[in-house]
This record gives sequence, structure tokens and C-alpha cells, in this order.
Amino acid sequence: ETGVTQSPTHLIKTRGQQVTLRCSSQSGHNTVSWYQQALGQGPQFIFQYYREEENGRGNFPPRFSGLQFPNYSSELNVNALELDDSALYLCASSFEGAYEQYFGPGTRLTVT
Amino acid sequence: AQSVTQPDIHITVSEGASLELRCNYSYGATPYLFWYVQSPGQGLQLLLKYFSGDTLVQGIKGFEAEFKRSQSSFNLRKPSVHWSDAAEYFCAGARGGGNKLTFGTGTQLKVEL
Repeated sequence: ETGVTQSPTHLIKTRGQQVTLRCSSQSGHNTVSWYQQALGQGPQFIFQYYREEENGRGNFPPRFSGLQFPNYSSELNVNALELDDSALYLCASSFEGAYEQYFGPGTRLTVT
Repeated sequence: AQSVTQPDIHITVSEGASLELRCNYSYGATPYLFWYVQSPGQGLQLLLKYFSGDTLVQGIKGFEAEFKRSQSSFNLRKPSVHWSDAAEYFCAGARGGGNKLTFGTGTQLKVEL
């Protein structure tokens, strides 16, 4: 059974640029959630996708957007990057909205 | 507003000593509660969860947690800590019926040999 994978591992971008992060969910999981973890903080919920539709969103501006594909993999897109977007971005998958979520290793984004 | 609070930012214990990490929650109704562990450079691993029923829940790696409604707490315990337990621990909650997690700020555990 393949766990949750994320790519890339690390990324450095310049303020104002756009970035796309990718997540492959665990086999059989159809729900993907994205979290932002700033340095020294707990993860914060960005949004969740279920069957290719957004299924809830946290307190993040519209420049944070996402997609889920038919194979349940997902992308997180961030436009107009700001320095405060520097963080570890975590993807978690679950089945049918089950409460147990399985996290990937994260993508470390640095905005300079 | 729903929130999860971890009062201790850092805790240091000696190997073999007992451990208790504190977590308090603020929800309108009993939330679903979780403890996760994060090792450096890694994602989050679920240690244990509480949904309902028995208030003492057992998890992986010898951890347990007790749900106390009267104190709005869900503290994590381990009777004897191993050096490999050094990591950051996060308490998280989700409103009943949902799975969007609200995390605490984490407790960094250091284990002295």
C-alpha cells in the first residue's frame, strides 16, 4: 500500500510568483486536505477536496486554490506569493471523509 | 471559536521517566480529538484518537490519552519514555461530523539520556 506522497520536497520562489504543489493520496482514499504549517506553529487547515469538489475551506485568501483529479491526486496553487507564505505544506488523505487522516511528508516552500 | 491549546511549548524528561503532555480544547460540543507526532523533516503520524465511549484510549508506541470532559482536556501520557520519542507532539480536534482538523501549537519533547 502506497502512502501519501508530495512533490517537490523543497521549493524556493520569489515574492509575487506562483507555485503549484502536488499530492498523491493513499491508495483507496478519495478525500484530500491541505494544511499550512509555519515555523514553530501547528498546521492550519487550508481546504479539503472530496470527489473533485472543494469541501470546506479555512481562513485563507482566494489566491490559495486547489484541484483534485479523477485519480484523487491533488494540487495546491498559490498565486502572488508573499513572504508569509513560507511554510511546510502538508497534504493528508482519508477515505469518504473518515476522521483518520494520513499525512504526507510535506513540501517546504521558501519565499524570498 | 473552536480551538485547541497546548500550554507547554517545550518539555524535557529523562529517558525512562513518565511523560504527560497537556491539551485543552474549546468546542461547543465534544469534538473528535487526536494526538499526532512529527519528527524532524517528516509529516505527521497519528498516535491515537478519541471519538466517544471509553475515555482512556490506547495508541501506538505505548502512548495513551485520557479525555476529561469536566476539564476540557485530552492529555497524552506514556509511562516510560524512550530516547526515540523525542519529537514534536500536536493535539488536534475536529468538530463532530467533520474532519477538518484544528491543531494546537505543539509541544517539543526532548529526552535526556
